[in-house]
Amino acid sequence: DIQLTQSPSFLSASVGDRVTINCRASQGINNYLAWYQQKPGKTPKLLIYGVSTLQSGVPSRFSGSGSGTEFTLTISSLQPEDFATYYCQQLNSYPLTFGQGTKVEIK
Amino acid sequence: EVQLLESGGGLVQPGGSLRLSCAASGFTFKYNAKSWVRQAPGKGLEWVSTISGGGEDIFYADSVKGRFTISRDNSKNTLDLQMNSLRAEDTAIYYCVIFGWGSHRWFDPWGQGTLVTVSS
Repeated sequence: DIQLTQSPSFLSASVGDRVTINCRASQGINNYLAWYQQKPGKTPKLLIYGVSTLQSGVPSRFSGSGSGTEFTLTISSLQPEDFATYYCQQLNSYPLTFGQGTKVEIK
Repeated sequence: EVQLLESGGGLVQPGGSLRLSCAASGFTFKYNAKSWVRQAPGKGLEWVSTISGGGEDIFYADSVKGRFTISRDNSKNTLDLQMNSLRAEDTAIYYCVIFGWGSHRWFDPWGQGTLVTVSS
């Protein structure tokens, strides 16, 4: 099974900060890597797929990068509505797996 | 508007059964692979099962293999999850999700989820 390890698990930041969340895969995933945002009590929302392709309607302050086994989600300027939990997911092989999540909270 | 609506959740005793259903509207999802994802209270996301658009390929997480069965009725635009021999650790919100497949892959859209509670 492919394990995804996100870091950090928790992040405290201020509005306007640049935020980076990392996702490491235990083996190569052919860039089948997606990122989701989940707010409390809400359904997960697709942000990015294929490592760096922004889902329609997602603000351009979100970006994804990486290759091989190391991937990054960046929020260039954190906005109040971005405080949430973020998950990476590999869709390369079964069992499909998610990272454990990174909670972004207000400093 | 594309929408997925789950139903069938509720309280069930350990060892019991429950059948979840997901109804799609706003699009014909028979060509898409479909999945179930769950989230235990206060925990992260866990993939449960996937069925291909035609139903010929089915995959399960080890944690539910042999107990859960995924199926779809393309004529009704519905996806089901039959859950047997339920355990306390199956307590979670269950989401129906479309598995997008092309040069990239993704889970979108998601349903609003249905809560399954396994407790005596």
